Amino acid sequence: QSALTQPASVSGSPGQSITISCTGTSSDVGGYNYVSWYQQHPGKAPKLMIYEVNNRPSGVSNRFSGSKSGNTASLTISGLQAEDEADYYCSSYTSSSTLGVFGGGTKLTVL
Amino acid sequence: QVQLVQSGAEVKKPGASVKVSCKAFGYTFTSYYMHWVRQAPGQGLEWMGIINPSDGSASYAQKLQGRVTMTKDTSTSTVYMELSSLRSEDTAVYYCARVPAGYTFNWFDPWGQGTLVTVSS
Repeated sequence: QSALTQPASVSGSPGQSITISCTGTSSDVGGYNYVSWYQQHPGKAPKLMIYEVNNRPSGVSNRFSGSKSGNTASLTISGLQAEDEADYYCSSYTSSSTLGVFGGGTKLTVL
Repeated sequence: QVQLVQSGAEVKKPGASVKVSCKAFGYTFTSYYMHWVRQAPGQGLEWMGIINPSDGSASYAQKLQGRVTMTKDTSTSTVYMELSSLRSEDTAVYYCARVPAGYTFNWFDPWGQGTLVTVSS
C-alpha cells in the first residue's frame, strides 16, 4: 500500500479539465511544500510536471497546474489532449524514516 | 546537457545479487544527491534510497535495509545500486534520479532511462 493515496483512474474528453488528488498526512504532504508530480507514458521514465506544489518546469505546458490544501495536493490538467493520456504520480518528502514517498499512481484516460 | 545513463537489463536467479550503474553527464557530480526508485511490472513507484555523491553516505528504505547498498565512483561520475538476496518480487525497472542542488529530497529531474532487472529461476 502506497503512503500517498491517489485515485486509480480518472477520465475526461478532449478539451475538458480533470483533477487528480494526492492525499497524505501532516508528516508529508500537509507538512511540507516538497510535493511534485510526474507523468509516465508506457515504457518510459517518469517526467517531472510540477515541483514544490505549484511550479512548472520550463517546457511543461501551462495546461498543467498544481495546488495543495491541508494534507491533499492536486494536479489539474486543463484543455485535455490525447497526448495527456498517461499515468500520473505524486511524490512528497516525509519526516518519517523513509525520506520520500510516492502515490500509487493514477491512470488518465482521454476519451 | 544534464543526463543520467544507466546500465543494461539483467536477468538473475533467486538468491543472487545485481549491481546497476547510473552515469551522470553535464553537471558537477558531487553537488547533487542521487536517489534510486523502482517500479514492479504494472505497479507504482517505490523509493529505495539516497546517496550523497560527495562523501558516499547513503540512507535506505526500511523495507530494503540489509539487502541494498548504494555506492559511488567520483572518477567516472557514476553511482551504483546493488541489491542482494534477490527474490521474484524484486523484478522491476530500477531508476536513478537526481534532486536539485542543496536538497536531500525534493523534485526528481532528470531520471535515468531505467534498468529492467528480472529475477527468475
